[in-house]
Amino acid sequence: EAQVTQNPRYLITVTGKKLTVTCSQNMNHEYMSWYRQDPGLGLRQIYYSMNVEVTDKGDVPEGYKVSRKEKRNFPLILESPSPNQTSLYFCASSPYPGTLAAFFGQGTRLTVV
Amino acid sequence: GENVEQHPSTLSVQEGDSAVIKCTYSDSASNYFPWYKQELGKRPQLIIDIRSNVGEKKDQRIAVTLNKTAKHFSLHITETQPEDSAVYFCAGSNSGYSTLTFGKGTMLLVSP
Repeated sequence: EAQVTQNPRYLITVTGKKLTVTCSQNMNHEYMSWYRQDPGLGLRQIYYSMNVEVTDKGDVPEGYKVSRKEKRNFPLILESPSPNQTSLYFCASSPYPGTLAAFFGQGTRLTVV
Repeated sequence: GENVEQHPSTLSVQEGDSAVIKCTYSDSASNYFPWYKQELGKRPQLIIDIRSNVGEKKDQRIAVTLNKTAKHFSLHITETQPEDSAVYFCAGSNSGYSTLTFGKGTMLLVSP
């Protein structure tokens, strides 16, 4: 089954404790991206990757890192999480060129206390 | 960067009526405009998209129109059904076709 898989689905952590949210797709898509969703603000792009070893900033990259060492995986790293990074995070993938966010993962709800 | 504004923020219609959601964008070089549906507690789903070289696109009960001169695009849903109730997001790419900026969403409620 074609899918984008994120883990974990839910995470509660403390300020400053490094964490990684994983994202994996099995569709051989070139383009992958991360978004955060906050009430009243919609979805905002954090980082994107157009292929292996090619990553770039979206609209809200501060406090986040990404890597794309393999085509299928695109982890999101928060090296020192802060409470303002409490949010719902989505990973997405697409064939490129084509669409930019065709398939979304199931989401990760992160709470930083 | 690109700025996408979406209206209305909420929309209530009766089953069978049509619904129209409008978005405006700021970057005249933007060339790709997708629409997403997000049901409560679920992930966003791509429902239709349009590119800047096309004025209109239809898929069964949904259609999207694009006016490049005015820099706005719209989602039209005909013969609405209760299962159409969801939050709908528009988005626009940058001119380089690499980033995606979303509108803030429209909550559509279809009453039986």
